[in-house]
Amino acid sequence: GAVVSQHPSWVICKSGTSVKIECRSLDFQATTMFWYRQFPKQSLMLMATSNEGSKATYEQGVEKDKFLINHASLTLSTLTVTSAHPEDSSFYICSARPGAGNTEAFFGQGTRLTVV
Amino acid sequence: GESVGLHLPTLSVQEGDNSIINCAYSNSASDYFIWYKQESGKGPQFIIDIRSNMDKRQGQRVTVLLNKTVKHLSLQIAATQPGDSAVYFCAESGGSYIPTFGRGTSLIVHP
Repeated sequence: GAVVSQHPSWVICKSGTSVKIECRSLDFQATTMFWYRQFPKQSLMLMATSNEGSKATYEQGVEKDKFLINHASLTLSTLTVTSAHPEDSSFYICSARPGAGNTEAFFGQGTRLTVV
Repeated sequence: GESVGLHLPTLSVQEGDNSIINCAYSNSASDYFIWYKQESGKGPQFIIDIRSNMDKRQGQRVTVLLNKTVKHLSLQIAATQPGDSAVYFCAESGGSYIPTFGRGTSLIVHP
C-alpha cells in the first residue's frame, strides 16, 4: 500500500509554545489529507480536512486559529498546534488519499504530543 | 455519521479461535466501509474494505460482512493469532468522502 510518513513520532513541548507536525505522502500525490486526534482508549476524532492549495475545512468545535493547517503541496500537509496547553496533549494522526472519491485512505504513524 | 468518543469495548479470545468484531454505523448514505487495525502507539492500518453494493468480502483470514438494512458491519478473523491483538475500528464514508471512525473494539488474544 501507499506510504504516509508523519514527523515527529513524538514531541514534548512547554506550555505556550507552538509545535509543527508534518504529514507526507511518500509515493503518491494527495489532493486531500485528513487530520485526526485520538485520546487514550478512544476513537479517532476528525479535526479537519486539508485540501492542497486551499483553506482547510475544520470540524465543529475545532479552533482553526489554534490548529493551523497548511497544505502547500500535493505531498505535504502540516498541522501547527499554537500556544500549546497541557489539554492539547494527545495522539495526532494524519491520513492521505491518493484518489478522488471514496477510496482507501492511508494513515501516518501518528505523533504523540505532550505539553508540560 | 459521527464518531463516538467512548471507552473501548474488549473482546478476549483464545489463540486459534475465530473472532467476530461488530460495528454499527450511523449514516445510511455511507457507501464505503473500511476496517482498520491499530496497534498501541501507531496509526491505523488498513485491513479490508467493502462497498455498499456488496454484502460480503473476503481477504486473507478476514471476512467483512455488511448488512445495510440494520446498518451493521462485522469483521471476522479466522484462526486468531496473538499478533492480531490490537484495537479494531470500522470507518464509513459517503458523499463527503471523509472517513468517519466508529467506536473501536480492543481484541485480546490469549496464547
